[in-house]
Amino acid sequence: DTAVSQTPKYLVTQMGNDKSIKCEQNLGHDTMYWYKQDSKKFLKIMFSYNNKELIINETVPNRFSPKSPDKAHLNLHINSLELGDSAVYFCASSQVVGATQYFGPGTRLLVL
Amino acid sequence: AQKITQTQPGMFVQEKEAVTLDCTYDTSDQSYGLFWYKQPSSGEMIFLIYQGSYDEQNATEGRYSLNFQKARKSANLVISASQLGDSAMYFCAMREYNQFYFGTGTSLTVIP
Repeated sequence: DTAVSQTPKYLVTQMGNDKSIKCEQNLGHDTMYWYKQDSKKFLKIMFSYNNKELIINETVPNRFSPKSPDKAHLNLHINSLELGDSAVYFCASSQVVGATQYFGPGTRLLVL
Repeated sequence: AQKITQTQPGMFVQEKEAVTLDCTYDTSDQSYGLFWYKQPSSGEMIFLIYQGSYDEQNATEGRYSLNFQKARKSANLVISASQLGDSAMYFCAMREYNQFYFGTGTSLTVIP
């Protein structure tokens, strides 16, 4: 069973479109995260939710909106996609805030 | 100042030899955590090892050990008996005040 899963794995879209990435964890963890990894492999945290509440909200354009319908799910919606949004987006989860994070397989987003 | 510094962009090691990947960190928090992750070419992020700031012993997990030198603020990863499958990017990360910071990574190539 996959511990942290993301869909889709690949996403190719045009500039200006709106898209969503879904994340689910079956580890029973309380905390979930979204990261962006750019073309130079730099990994930066975007958001974190603990028990469905937003606890980390880094300086990210407000075109990015996370939503956590329950503890096991954290989705990322992106409006008006731009070329610079092309990256790999990782979801992760941890048992509690600050504990070891386990990552999903990543979603490779390419904006044309 | 950078929270996590990995000064080796690329490293090579002969199969079956040991290799040390460097990581230094910057924090004023007394309670923090240090992590190492592996990212193979397939793209997933794999948790390897964790060291808490109050742990007196160096962490070990199989062929991985973390050489923790608190006074020097270093948390180097040692991989013993390198295998071809160890070829990957390796990221050092720190948890500070429940925020996570990742280094820029070291690309390790194991030579047969």
